[in-house]
Amino acid sequence: DIVMTQSPDSLAVSLGERATIHCKSSQSVFYSSNNKNYLAWYQQRPRQPPKLLIYWASTRESGVPDRFSGSGSGTDFTLTISSLQAEDVAVYYCQQYYSTPPWTFGQGTKVEIK
Amino acid sequence: QVQLVESGGSVVQPGGSLRLSCAASGFTFSSYGMHWVRQAPGKGLEWVAFIRFDGSNEYYADSVKGRFTISRDNSKNTLYVQMNSLRPEDTAVYYCAKQRQLLRGSLFDDWGQGTLVTVSS
Repeated sequence: DIVMTQSPDSLAVSLGERATIHCKSSQSVFYSSNNKNYLAWYQQRPRQPPKLLIYWASTRESGVPDRFSGSGSGTDFTLTISSLQAEDVAVYYCQQYYSTPPWTFGQGTKVEIK
Repeated sequence: QVQLVESGGSVVQPGGSLRLSCAASGFTFSSYGMHWVRQAPGKGLEWVAFIRFDGSNEYYADSVKGRFTISRDNSKNTLYVQMNSLRPEDTAVYYCAKQRQLLRGSLFDDWGQGTLVTVSS
């Protein structure tokens, strides 16, 4: 199984500042035949179900604000919130869909306002 | 729009059984694979089970294999999971999630609000 590890476990960022979350997979999730990274990011606001934010490591889901961006390739990925808003307070999860089943998630990163 | 509504969660004793349901609407249910994903209190997300659009194949996490059975009734637009031999560590909010099929892979694009299962004596 592919193990996903996120860092940090939590971070506090001032409103309007940048938040950066890292995700590392235990093996590459890049498929060379289609040049795609099988990595998604989800946002889970308090008392809400998860919501798909980004897939293919960097493709924003429809309706997701452009302050959210994903980057990386192979085993190392980053989710960046360029200017933190109050509604971005949430736990963020990375997830691989390269080798399934099982579909595996990172342990989550909690983003709070400083 | 897509709506997924889970039900059936309750308090059950260790060793007991429970069946959860997920009523789907707003999309052609019979065309999509479906998942169950759970979240223990204060913990992260754990994929539990997947069933193909036509019910032809099922897949399970090792932690529930042999105890849980996923099924679906496409005539009723409903997904189920039968949970037997429940353990305290099965305590969690259980979400159903709709599959999004991509190139050579799939992920979860719509989620229900979840239903809480508590395994305790």
